[in-house]
Amino acid sequence: SAVISQKPSRDICQRGTSLTIQCQVDSQVTMMFWYRQQPGQSLTLIATANQGSEATYESGFVIDKFPISRPNLTFSTLTVSNMSPEDSSIYLCSVENSGSSYNEQFFGPGTRLTVL
Amino acid sequence: GQQLNQSPQSMFIQEGEDVSMNCTSSSIFNTWLWYKQDPGEGPVLLIALYKAGELTSNGRLTAQFGITRKDSFLNISASIPSDVGIYFCAGQVTNAGKSTFGDGTTLTVKP
Repeated sequence: SAVISQKPSRDICQRGTSLTIQCQVDSQVTMMFWYRQQPGQSLTLIATANQGSEATYESGFVIDKFPISRPNLTFSTLTVSNMSPEDSSIYLCSVENSGSSYNEQFFGPGTRLTVL
Repeated sequence: GQQLNQSPQSMFIQEGEDVSMNCTSSSIFNTWLWYKQDPGEGPVLLIALYKAGELTSNGRLTAQFGITRKDSFLNISASIPSDVGIYFCAGQVTNAGKSTFGDGTTLTVKP
């Protein structure tokens, strides 16, 4: 399994500011994803981070609010822009090697964001 | 969009008891995954299922991929206090890796 780290692990931010979350994987992976987990809720996919091209966003999520970068096969960033208290969530990076026969998807430890 | 109905929402059991939880969907999935999430951590993959009817074990955990491909269950035998956490089922349609998650089952184990 891949080892995934995220920075920061948690942050408290002011309304209207932006925060960039980093995801680093210890090996090259085909697929990288960003999920959101609101307090007490399940996980919701924000977008698929595509290497060298624009991310693919799920319904309800837009690039202006959640810009994503993926410069290589081991690293991605998610920015939460112009934050409001409703953005308070855990943001999780996830990876999968779709070249494998097995669709095993792994998660990072998450970034716990609180917006005041 | 696709939805997974996971039940029960929560369980309070005595140490040593067996646990069963399940997920159902109105849509077909080609892969079922079961995760456990501890407080302050990301979900950890427990079991992955790839074929309808498949029964897979991982220690005290056993999971099955339903024949209709619209459901899956997870059993935990002889529960111990460290089994406490939130268990999520997740389904995938394609190899694209995008998972749809259930709402989770919160397990509490009383010593």
